[in-house]
Amino acid sequence: GENVEQHPSTLSVQEGDSAVIKCTYSDSASNYFPWYKQELGKGPQLIIDIRSNVGEKKDQRIAVTLNKTAKHFSLHITETQPEDSAVYFCAASKGTGSWGKLQFGAGTQVVVTP
Amino acid sequence: DSGVTQTPKHLITATGQRVTLRCSPRSGDLSVYWYQQSLDQGLQFLIQYYNGEERAKGNILERFSAQQFPDLHSELNLSSLELGDSALYFCASSPGRRASGRDEQFFGPGTRLTVL
Repeated sequence: GENVEQHPSTLSVQEGDSAVIKCTYSDSASNYFPWYKQELGKGPQLIIDIRSNVGEKKDQRIAVTLNKTAKHFSLHITETQPEDSAVYFCAASKGTGSWGKLQFGAGTQVVVTP
Repeated sequence: DSGVTQTPKHLITATGQRVTLRCSPRSGDLSVYWYQQSLDQGLQFLIQYYNGEERAKGNILERFSAQQFPDLHSELNLSSLELGDSALYFCASSPGRRASGRDEQFFGPGTRLTVL
């Protein structure tokens, strides 16, 4: 089955700096790659996603890149703010139209210090 | 707020007992997914329902079962509970309409289960 590896497990950044989280996946049939942010005591919140026919996607301060050949994708957060502190999860799925379960990475604890 | 609701928020019970967790998907979503989050296993997919029918199964124990009702809400039943079943249980929903290609999953706030 699909295996998703995520690095680093913890990331400390100064406010205003950039943060990068990397994930690799094993199943070349995976075609949907969402990123979730989970704050303490809350459920995972979808922050951005990318599909296999796209190489990069941006939404304000966050961006995701996908390299299908190398089977890895990354989350980039620019101009980090204290409210970006949370656990971030990458995931991969073979589904379209909700036919696919999400296989999650182990998560990255991001701490943004003022 | 994702629009997915889960009850109860917290549940404390004893080993050997049975509990039922409830999930109401976002309005219009046909697919419901259940995930378990524990410290040692991370976020693990358990089971998916689409419009009342089981669609996919993950690492769900035989002691666990789920169903989706005609009004699309879903229940996850956990029986013969063990200490190791203590975890956060999340429900997610998505549109589920294949033609739309919409497969984003939106998570509820979760139910924290503690087995003593």
